[in-house]
Amino acid sequence: AQSVTQLDSQVPVFEEAPVELRCNYSSSVSVYLFWYVQYPNQGLQLLLKYLSGSTLVESINGFEAEFNKSQTSFHLRKPSVHISDTAEYFCAVSELGQGAQKLVFGQGTRLTINP
Amino acid sequence: DAGVIQSPRHEVTEMGQEVTLRCKPISGHDYLFWYRQTMMRGLELLIYFNNNVPIDDSGMPEDRFSAKMPNASFSTLKIQPSEPRDSAVYFCASSLGGHGTYEQYFGPGTRLTVT
Repeated sequence: AQSVTQLDSQVPVFEEAPVELRCNYSSSVSVYLFWYVQYPNQGLQLLLKYLSGSTLVESINGFEAEFNKSQTSFHLRKPSVHISDTAEYFCAVSELGQGAQKLVFGQGTRLTINP
Repeated sequence: DAGVIQSPRHEVTEMGQEVTLRCKPISGHDYLFWYRQTMMRGLELLIYFNNNVPIDDSGMPEDRFSAKMPNASFSTLKIQPSEPRDSAVYFCASSLGGHGTYEQYFGPGTRLTVT
């Protein structure tokens, strides 16, 4: 069965600084990878996903993630963060095939932006 | 579209009482998921349905939990009897299979407190 490890439970950064949120996964088959964001008192929203093709994927608000098959990683990066990026970020994986709709989530990383 | 709708948003009940959480998925979506989120265990998939049929209920904690989807626009998650350890935020999500997007749309959640 697949699993996801988010290496940092909390990441504090200053506004306009770069940030990287780390995600590693484990699976015996090919996978799809996702990052979801959860703002306070809300449900999760999809930030970006890797299904196939280019290993570098981007979101509309400046985040990007790169799928690294050899390192089984899907780290999330942003070159310059804003106060509005304060949220909890979840990495998730699903396995190709019949169960591809089933997501397994990491424990989450709380990103705190300080002015 | 109004998105995924969950009710109630908050529920406080006493140990031993029956609790019913409700979910209306996005119209046209054929997958529905129930998750539980706690500080200790993170985000856990409890059960998911495809075309109103339960596909995987391996995450349901025990027999006290049951879920139904009588039609494409409504699902319930019932806990009977409830216990303090069931206190959590319960999310419902839906997705559209067959289009290869695999994006799940989350509701705002129901915060359950069992005293």
